[in-house]
Amino acid sequence: LAKTTQPISMDSYEGQEVNITCSHNNIATNDYITWYQQFPSQGPRFIIQGYKTKVTNEVASLFIPADRKSSTLSLPRVSLSDTAVYYCLVGSGGYQKVTFGIGTKLQVIP
Amino acid sequence: GAVVSQHPSWVICKSGTSVKIECRSLDFQATTMFWYRQFPKQSLMLMATSNEGSKATYEQGVEKDKFLINHASLTLSTLTVTSAHPEDSSFYICSAGNRDRGWQTQYFGPGTRLLVL
Repeated sequence: LAKTTQPISMDSYEGQEVNITCSHNNIATNDYITWYQQFPSQGPRFIIQGYKTKVTNEVASLFIPADRKSSTLSLPRVSLSDTAVYYCLVGSGGYQKVTFGIGTKLQVIP
Repeated sequence: GAVVSQHPSWVICKSGTSVKIECRSLDFQATTMFWYRQFPKQSLMLMATSNEGSKATYEQGVEKDKFLINHASLTLSTLTVTSAHPEDSSFYICSAGNRDRGWQTQYFGPGTRLLVL
């Protein structure tokens, strides 16, 4: 299982763009990169997933360089409701087990 | 995205009793379900992986006789905490995936808060 490393915490003001980078140096060829958001006392919520280059959906963008050893989750114009823990996971399928790292606690400041 | 539910959302029980937590995939068939445990201010820790119709695979350090997992159908998995003790108090989360669809992600339930007195 590929290990991931993220910053433990980040602060941002409302309306700013937030970029959270995750390192996964031993990512395997078949692995995808998935980001989840978790609020206190709730299960993780899927945000975005990608394999290479750039992926964008209605809530976030995911940038993956050519070597795929890292990835960056970009949240445009964050609001207070984006305050949560964000997890980067690497795995080769929804039926394969993954290992959660510590995650990044994002605090959005008014 | 796919919907996964858990029941109950929270439970309080006396030490020594057993508690059953249900995890259901509401709009898809879950060939694989995972059970996690999360202590306050910590990350999710995988307890076990269960495939429909077969025995669960437990992670190292997780007692299979204490945490009984049953995945008898493609939409339901249950976790039974037997003879619960205060140290078993935690937030239990399940997730589900579908091997046959080739999905690349797991979908998580809302979690169950267990408090053992």
